[in-house]
Amino acid sequence: GDSVTQMEGPVTLSEEAFLTINCTYTATGYPSLFWYVQYPGEGLQLLLKATKADDKGSNKGFEATYRKETTSFHLEKGSVQVSDSAVYFCALTHQAGTALIFGKGTTLSVSS
Amino acid sequence: DAGVIQSPRHEVTEMGQEVTLRCKPISGHNSLFWYRQTMMRGLELLIYFNNNVPIDDSGMPEDRFSAKMPNASFSTLKIQPSEPRDSAVYFCASSLANYGYTFGSGTRLTVV
Repeated sequence: GDSVTQMEGPVTLSEEAFLTINCTYTATGYPSLFWYVQYPGEGLQLLLKATKADDKGSNKGFEATYRKETTSFHLEKGSVQVSDSAVYFCALTHQAGTALIFGKGTTLSVSS
Repeated sequence: DAGVIQSPRHEVTEMGQEVTLRCKPISGHNSLFWYRQTMMRGLELLIYFNNNVPIDDSGMPEDRFSAKMPNASFSTLKIQPSEPRDSAVYFCASSLANYGYTFGSGTRLTVV
């Protein structure tokens, strides 16, 4: 079945450092790909998405490019802030209205 | 828009008791999802509905769990009888066909 694999955390960075969180997937066809963020005590919020190969999703300085050839959707940010500390989830779905399949999440901790 | 509303936010109950979690999706959304989040297993899909009809309940752990969606604006997840291993955060999410998945703030369930 479909699955999402994320790099193990936690990831600990200093403010203004470059961030990469790796995400690869296993799925048939061309799923849509997502990154969600979860702040402590809150639900998941959509960070960005890409619905076809070579699409780049971006939001709040975060970017991820849908790479079909490597089945990857790595999350990047050029300069992290303390406020970016959260858990980040990579997810996929094949069709709008069907369930999202999530990776296990990567905890990011940014210190000043 | 008030977003996806879940109640209660926190629930502490004794083993063997019945627990009912509630969800009000965003008006106009036609899909509703129940997820469970634990440290060990991450985010697991329990069940989802399209147009109030259950589509996939393969993630429901066992017969102690049941979910209903009597109308487009309300869903319940019931656990009877509850067990300590059911302790988790339960999330409800709703979506429309444009991949707009929105999550509630979750219900933190503790079974003692």
